[in-house]
Amino acid sequence: KQEVTQIPAALSVPEGENLVLNCSFTDSAIYNLQWFRQDPGKGLTSLLLIQSSQREQTSGRLNASLDKSSGRSTLYIAASQPGDSATYLCAVSNNQGGKLIFGQGTELSVKP
Amino acid sequence: ETGVTQTPRHLVMGMTNKKSLKCEQHLGHNAMYWYKQSAKKPLELMFVYSLEERVENNSVPSRFSPECPNSSHLFLHLHTLQPEDSALYLCASSRGLTQAFFGQGTRLTVV
Repeated sequence: KQEVTQIPAALSVPEGENLVLNCSFTDSAIYNLQWFRQDPGKGLTSLLLIQSSQREQTSGRLNASLDKSSGRSTLYIAASQPGDSATYLCAVSNNQGGKLIFGQGTELSVKP
Repeated sequence: ETGVTQTPRHLVMGMTNKKSLKCEQHLGHNAMYWYKQSAKKPLELMFVYSLEERVENNSVPSRFSPECPNSSHLFLHLHTLQPEDSALYLCASSRGLTQAFFGQGTRLTVV
């Protein structure tokens, strides 16, 4: 049974710092991995999707990497801003784009 | 806007009420999903509809009844809920193996 773990559970950093969020999964037979952002009480916004054949994806200040064999992904946020404060969720898909298994998330707070 | 719209955004219902949550997608996707997000727990997949046919029911109690009349609409009918069913209910859609898009969710409170 696939399990997804995210560490740390919470992170507080000063504005401008670069930071890394970690995600690990137990079954390496995945089709893709997605990183989402969730603001309090809101839905999920998809940030990056990495297909199983890919090693990384970049969007602006965000870079996500995938090491399928070791069951790990990282989300790198460069030059963090207070507007980046949110919960970041990692999810893997085994066979269908929307059939996702989620981690518990990392709650990020960026202080001005 | 993600192209997936959920209504209502907030719902308070008594344990004897019957209500429905609605989800609509304008992305041309062929699969739709209901997820439940309870406090301090990871999102849990409840139902999967592919080409309007329910293909998965993850041991969800029968007091939750999904309906997918066409590829753009998905409903979750609720009846005789319990207080522990209070949560954020999220709808998502996708096409094949492509990324999933989520709605803003319905915050449900059962009193």
